[in-house]
Amino acid sequence: KAGVTQTPRYLIKTRGQQVTLSCSPISGHRSVSWYQQTPGQGLQFLFEYFSETQRNKGNFPGRFSGRQFSNSRSEMNVSTLELGDSALYLCASSPDPGRNQPQHFGDGTRLSIL
Amino acid sequence: DQQVKQNSPSLSVQEGRISILNCDYTNSMFDYFLWYKKYPAEGPTFLISISSIKDKNEDGRFTVFLNKSAKHLSLHIVPSQPGDSAVYFCAASATIQGAQKLVFGQGTRLTINP
Repeated sequence: KAGVTQTPRYLIKTRGQQVTLSCSPISGHRSVSWYQQTPGQGLQFLFEYFSETQRNKGNFPGRFSGRQFSNSRSEMNVSTLELGDSALYLCASSPDPGRNQPQHFGDGTRLSIL
Repeated sequence: DQQVKQNSPSLSVQEGRISILNCDYTNSMFDYFLWYKKYPAEGPTFLISISSIKDKNEDGRFTVFLNKSAKHLSLHIVPSQPGDSAVYFCAASATIQGAQKLVFGQGTRLTINP
């Protein structure tokens, strides 16, 4: 069974640009969550999608947005990039967000802002 | 406001001995707790979880203990092996309006010495 797939693995952008990251969940998983990992900050929750609807949102500015498609694939967009947005962005999927079950992570997209 | 805390940034243990990783939380709404292991350049891998209705869950060499009154959980690895060297994250979950939101600790880097 294929795991969570994130593309691209690495990305370099400059300040002011925008970026779109992609996540394909495990087959059959309908919930997709996004996290940001920076040194010293651990994993910070960005948002969670289920049935193409954002169900939960973390404390990030509006420059961070996402969406989910009918096949459960998800994209995350960051506009007007800042140096502080350099981080590892992780996507996780689970079958049903309403039940206590583990989320399974992809290997992330490493975003570097110059 | 750090709702989940791992107070030890690093831990060094001799191969074959027991590794004990600790985690504290503050929010009484959390009802599901997880441990993840992370290698460099990979996403977190789910290890073991525990529901708040239990106080212990065991899976092979890994055991998680939950003390609800102290709002404390721990992960025991016995015996420790060199391949266990990684960063370990604890996470706590609360289901709000049908959506599960994970809150992660800062991580503990475990090093197993031969």
